[in-house]
Amino acid sequence: DTGVSQNPRHKITKRGQNVTFRCDPISEHNRLYWYRQTLGQGPEFLTYFQNEAQLEKSRLLSDRFSAERPKGSFSTLEIQRTEQGDSAMYLCASSSGTGFATQYFGPGTRLTVL
Amino acid sequence: KQEVTQIPAALSVPEGENLVLNCSFTDSAIYNLQWFRQDPGKGLTSLLLIQSSQREQTSGRLNASLDKSSGRSTLYIAASQPGDSATYLCAVPNFGNEKLTFGTGTRLTIIP
Repeated sequence: DTGVSQNPRHKITKRGQNVTFRCDPISEHNRLYWYRQTLGQGPEFLTYFQNEAQLEKSRLLSDRFSAERPKGSFSTLEIQRTEQGDSAMYLCASSSGTGFATQYFGPGTRLTVL
Repeated sequence: KQEVTQIPAALSVPEGENLVLNCSFTDSAIYNLQWFRQDPGKGLTSLLLIQSSQREQTSGRLNASLDKSSGRSTLYIAASQPGDSATYLCAVPNFGNEKLTFGTGTRLTIIP
């Protein structure tokens, strides 16, 4: 069990470009969450999956954001036409079971939009 | 809508002292409460998860307490060490989807 991994760890892009982040959850964890954290704030929920189904999306997730979890394993988060306001740490977490289980977080992807 | 508050935003204490971090939440109908540690530029490390039926949960020098009726939790750190310097976040899950609502954190500095 190697924990939750995220790639890349850092991404610098120019405004208007598209970026994609990947999250590999702990194996056999059926739930996967994406959060966004800006400087000095706690993480804010973006979306979550149970297996391959995306069950909820936050209003923070504009139509420029899309997330997938094919086959219920890894997940990707894509941001199209990036804006400077998208600069943040994007965190992925996974948990197992159907109850209120501990969420285990990855190291995050730091996005900087110039 | 659940709101989570952590006061103070920053705290500095000399090494060796015991300290308490505070977390308050507006909706007492919670299932559990989780405390995390975050080092600068890093992800979150789960420290303790305390169930709503529990009053306390301990791990090493850490002790978390929960008072649902008053909407408060505390994280007690005994015999603080410089390695304890980090931001500490508390979070509660929403019923139905278990998404976590976080506080803004307390940035702790232990002075050698």
